[in-house]
Amino acid sequence: RKEVEQDPGPFNVPEGATVAFNCTYSNSASQSFFWYRQDCRKEPKLLMSVYSSGNEDGRFTAQLNRASQYISLLIRDSKLSDSATYLCVNHLSGGYNKLIFGAGTRLAVHP
Amino acid sequence: DAGVTQSPTHLIKTRGQQVTLRCSPKSGHDTVSWYQQALGQGPQFIFQYYEEEERQRGNFPDRFSGHQFPNYSSELNVNALLLGDSALYLCASSLGLNSNQPQHFGDGTRLSIL
Repeated sequence: RKEVEQDPGPFNVPEGATVAFNCTYSNSASQSFFWYRQDCRKEPKLLMSVYSSGNEDGRFTAQLNRASQYISLLIRDSKLSDSATYLCVNHLSGGYNKLIFGAGTRLAVHP
Repeated sequence: DAGVTQSPTHLIKTRGQQVTLRCSPKSGHDTVSWYQQALGQGPQFIFQYYEEEERQRGNFPDRFSGHQFPNYSSELNVNALLLGDSALYLCASSLGLNSNQPQHFGDGTRLSIL
């Protein structure tokens, strides 16, 4: 089983749609998580940290369910500029600082 | 405030050759991690350097080695290149080892093996 697994893409949605991405992780001791966004042929950029209580940043909402080892990202009112690959990331620390990435879910928002 | 910088941007090599990639961390950061991203995959952790020592290593063969300099910059070396080494190589920097702060990535070096 992969350490971080994500919904297979691509997701093709119209502008204004709400879309949700899911991610599961295998390491129950994991403490922190991130969502990164990666545009085609570019570097990953941090989108949001994920907190146990859930957190919201504008149109984006991230949630963590530790019991189910499940993370989600919700995007409301999708924009054309949201088209990218979204990477679910497990952050492992303890004498090191290591990111475990999922394979990514591709989102294509169309007019 | 300079971000993470990597060089070169692109590189073409042939099988069996050796390559060195370079990374300068974001100003104020002291920890450098290297990742390999094959087409259609998420980045895979290669190793991490802190205080000029390799602190953690992913599942990569000994052909992959690295170094960190006193100014915190780092190099990734790959020997005996294989076709499968073709990928985007990403450098990320952060502050300290036991931090929950996210890592910041450079633009990457795109390595093609012919």
